Amino acid sequence: NAGVTQTPKFQVLKTGQSMTLQCAQDMNHNSMYWYRQDPGMGLRLIYYSASEGTTDKGEVPNGYNVSRLNKREFSLRLESAAPSQTSVYFCASSRLTDTQYFGPGTRLTVL
Amino acid sequence: GQQLNQSPQSMFIQEGEDVSMNCTSSSIFNTWLWYKQDPGEGPVLLIALYKAGELTSNGRLTAQFGITRKDSFLNISASIPSDVGIYFCAGQLQGGADGLTFGKGTHLIIQP
Repeated sequence: NAGVTQTPKFQVLKTGQSMTLQCAQDMNHNSMYWYRQDPGMGLRLIYYSASEGTTDKGEVPNGYNVSRLNKREFSLRLESAAPSQTSVYFCASSRLTDTQYFGPGTRLTVL
Repeated sequence: GQQLNQSPQSMFIQEGEDVSMNCTSSSIFNTWLWYKQDPGEGPVLLIALYKAGELTSNGRLTAQFGITRKDSFLNISASIPSDVGIYFCAGQLQGGADGLTFGKGTHLIIQP
């Protein structure tokens, strides 16, 4: 039982490049989330998926897209990376909509 | 978006001391959660609170859900070196499916 896993752990991109961050959970949770963490800003919600087949915007969705591939997997895509997207990205999942469990994070640098 | 005010921002304490931190909000939350984050890791859930007035312990950690439903505190008794890290409070609005609102964290530093 690995919980929530994320790949890659580290990534460096040039401005304008695209990439997809992968997240998977093996806890049979219904809801999945993507957050970004910046110094002094805490964790901010980018997108969430309350159940398989649905996705909704969070607090800071601009510049991102998501796909809930199936119940286990929820990916985050940056179509054209910008330096402002340099951050640590965390995926989380929850059975309902409250207690969330986090992955180890992806550290992204956009040059 | 909703705001959670977490204080203090940082704490420098001696090993063995007790620690207290809190979160307040102008909004009502139906769930309060406390997480700890170690360097290079994701947040790990410490305590979850689901009812106003609820007091819950997890080893040396104790957290309470304020009766106004707008605040929560976390206490750590007899701190040890492995307590070092960043502690986050988080709140969930009733029926909300849009994730958690996080405080900005309390950075705990323990001096031996």
